Amino acid sequence: NAGVTQTPKFQVLKTGQSMTLQCAQDMNHEYMSWYRQDPGMGLRLIHYSVGAGITDQGEVPNGYNVSRSTTEDFPLRLLSAAPSQTSVYFCASSREAQLNYGYTFGSGTRLTVV
Amino acid sequence: GQQLNQSPQSMFIQEGEDVSMNCTSSSIFNTWLWYKQDPGEGPVLLIALYKAGELTSNGRLTAQFGITRKDSFLNISASIPSDVGIYFCAGLESKLIFGTGTRLQVFP
Repeated sequence: NAGVTQTPKFQVLKTGQSMTLQCAQDMNHEYMSWYRQDPGMGLRLIHYSVGAGITDQGEVPNGYNVSRSTTEDFPLRLLSAAPSQTSVYFCASSREAQLNYGYTFGSGTRLTVV
Repeated sequence: GQQLNQSPQSMFIQEGEDVSMNCTSSSIFNTWLWYKQDPGEGPVLLIALYKAGELTSNGRLTAQFGITRKDSFLNISASIPSDVGIYFCAGLESKLIFGTGTRLQVFP
């Protein structure tokens, strides 16, 4: 099993450009989520999904869109990149949101917006 | 948004020393989790705690779920160089809420 796969690993964008960060999992997990990690801030939840066709906002959703058309994939879209979105982005999945054994994380996408 | 307060922010210790870190919240959680993040990687689950007062070990790691359900503690005994990384606590309610992290550096 590959687990949670994120692409790309690194990306540089110009302000105003759009892009999609990809996340795929092959564990048949219902729950998927996106976090951003900034120095001294820990990980903050951007958006999450409890199943195909269902998405919801986390703590810091502004500037990001998501969709969940399949169980496996949960892409994160930046509509118009801003320097404040420079961060490391992690995708995580779990069999169920409430299940108490934690989530499996991808290895991250490091995004720089110039 | 809610975040958990972790302390210390960073630690610089010598190989062989024991390490203690803690995590506090203004809210009650029913589950506490501890993760470790290696450089360039995503967090990996170390220990999960499900009951107030619970003490759980994983090798040299021991974690406790505070009695008030508002805090948790992680101890690492006899540290080794590969313990280097960032340690995060996380509380689980409807979502996973992360602490701010403790950066651990181990010197030989």
